[in-house]
Amino acid sequence: DIQMTQSPSSLSASVGDRVTITCRTSQTIDNYLNWYQQKPGKAPKLLIYAASDLQSGVPSRFSGSGSGTDFTLTISTLQPEDFATYFCQQTYSILYTFGQGTKLEIK
Amino acid sequence: QVQLQESGPGLVKPSQTLSLTCTVSGGSISSATYYWSWIRQPPGKGLEWIGYIYYTGNTRYHPSLKSRLTMSVDTSKNQFSLKLSSVTAADTAFYYCARDSPSPTRGRVYDPWGQGTLVIVSS
Repeated sequence: DIQMTQSPSSLSASVGDRVTITCRTSQTIDNYLNWYQQKPGKAPKLLIYAASDLQSGVPSRFSGSGSGTDFTLTISTLQPEDFATYFCQQTYSILYTFGQGTKLEIK
Repeated sequence: QVQLQESGPGLVKPSQTLSLTCTVSGGSISSATYYWSWIRQPPGKGLEWIGYIYYTGNTRYHPSLKSRLTMSVDTSKNQFSLKLSSVTAADTAFYYCARDSPSPTRGRVYDPWGQGTLVIVSS
């Protein structure tokens, strides 16, 4: 089974900051990595697929990079609506496991 | 655009069967492009993929749930369903359905998702 290590588990930042979240996998997954945003009481929303492809309708301040075992999600200029929990997910092999989440809070 | 909506009981007794249905609107569940997945999230915890079904009825399940899980599809109603038997408190979670788009160049893409439904297992 592929293990996901997402860091940090929580992060305090201010509006306008640049933020980076990391996801590391226990084995190579090529670029089969998705990023989601989840707000309280809502379903996860797809932000990035295939490690770096921006989902239609998602603001360009969100970007993803990486391949193999190390991936990052970057928010270039934090907006008030970006405070949420972020999850990565590998879709390389069955179980399609998710990271444990990063809660992004207002400083 | 395509929308998904989960429905089913919000409270299930231990040892009984949890049954949920996902209704797809704005698109056909019989599209050859898509699979249809279930994902769950215990309150305050992380996400777990449960399984998927194709419109032909082909399924793939999470190995740890395989012995208790049955998924089905009703193309006439544009719905797919999940049945999880012998439930315990550990099955208490928000259950989401999602459209699953597999591709050899980008992996599987889960979008859109239903709003989710909370199922509590309690006597």
